[in-house]
Amino acid sequence: DGGITQSPKYLFRKEGQNVTLSCEQNLNHDAMYWYRQDPGQGLRLIYYSQIVNDFQKGDIAEGYSVSREKKESFPLTVTSAQKNPTAFYLCASTFLTGGDYGYTFGSGTRLTVV
Amino acid sequence: GNSVTQMEGPVTLSEEAFLTINCTYTATGYPSLFWYVQYPGEGLQLLLKATKADDKGSNKGFEATYRKETTSFHLEKGSVQVSDSAVYFCALSASSSNTGKLIFGQGTTLQVKP
Repeated sequence: DGGITQSPKYLFRKEGQNVTLSCEQNLNHDAMYWYRQDPGQGLRLIYYSQIVNDFQKGDIAEGYSVSREKKESFPLTVTSAQKNPTAFYLCASTFLTGGDYGYTFGSGTRLTVV
Repeated sequence: GNSVTQMEGPVTLSEEAFLTINCTYTATGYPSLFWYVQYPGEGLQLLLKATKADDKGSNKGFEATYRKETTSFHLEKGSVQVSDSAVYFCALSASSSNTGKLIFGQGTTLQVKP
């Protein structure tokens, strides 16, 4: 079955450490997105990519980095420059042509600073 | 700019009650409109969508009608169940954008009591 997979489900980061969240899709979607969700709040866009080897900053890109070396993969690195990284991270993807499909979301990664 | 406004929650209902969650939007052109649902600890799932004025999206007993004259896309269900307890997000996809980006509302928490 096609879908979008995020791993790990839970991740713990020590102070000053970089961590990478994985996002893989087998839907042949063109665009991929990373969102951050804090408790009781909505979604905030971190980065997005419409095509391989290209990506754009969202609303809260500081302290994060991404790459898009393959169409299927869009990993997110939370760097030590992100001072408050504890949150729920969601990855999503969609087609860019043929109509408005909306997003398919992954099941999320919960990151906690210890 | 484009934006989505949802009624604040939490909304607390008894089982079998009628549900309405209000959503209004601001956008140029003719956006597509979506409702997503998020169960605790999970990613978002597409609930329904409408891509043009007067379209009605429906799924699992939920309905929403795209009203261009009132710029609204209110979510309704005739008889809620405990299993409908979740957070509901309204979103739009701007027709003028080719990024595929969705603009999300803040989410509305629904609690259904037996």
